[in-house]
Amino acid sequence: AQSVTQPDIHITVSEGASLELRCNYSYGATPYLFWYVQSPGQGLQLLLKYFSGDTLVQGIKGFEAEFKRSQSSFNLRKPSVHWSDAAEYFCAVGGSGNTGKLIFGQGTTLQVKP
Amino acid sequence: GAGVSQTPSNKVTEKGKYVELRCDPISGHTALYWYRQSLGQGPEFLIYFQGTGAADDSGLPNDRFFAVRPEGSVSTLKIQRTERGDSAVYLCASSRQGGNSRRETQYFGPGTRLLVL
Repeated sequence: AQSVTQPDIHITVSEGASLELRCNYSYGATPYLFWYVQSPGQGLQLLLKYFSGDTLVQGIKGFEAEFKRSQSSFNLRKPSVHWSDAAEYFCAVGGSGNTGKLIFGQGTTLQVKP
Repeated sequence: GAGVSQTPSNKVTEKGKYVELRCDPISGHTALYWYRQSLGQGPEFLIYFQGTGAADDSGLPNDRFFAVRPEGSVSTLKIQRTERGDSAVYLCASSRQGGNSRRETQYFGPGTRLLVL
């Protein structure tokens, strides 16, 4: 069965420091992978997505993610974190078939220290 | 343009009551999804509509949950005989089209927070 694991429930980084959020997926075929961000009181916003091609994907707000098939991972990175990046981050994989349903991980809460 | 909207933003009800949650997708989007997000968890898929028809309802937890989209636009999620375990945020998302819809970006609404007392 398809699944997504985000090993870190909560991460704290200092403003200006680099960030990496981990995501591991389980999927039989070529996965469609997504990262969403959810700020308090806001809807989920897509940061970036991967379907095929270049395994390093650039997204909005300075985020990038790298697809590593051998490790079944799709980790999210940002070189320098801003206080406004504090939010909850969700990794998701597109389910099998053509329904488009997303299977989400548990989420990682990012706290940014001044 | 306008994004996905959901009403009400909050709903408090008593155990055993019936509730309806509404979703207005982005205009022109043919695909519509409902998800449920419990506290501290990621969203869980409930149902997917392509146009007016429910193309995948495999995520509905039981027969107390039902959703409709009669004109292919607005959708209503209906919960009968609510239970305390139904308390969660119910999210709606829409995307441009179905077909190979795994590629399509899903745009999410702000959600309806349901509390069953």
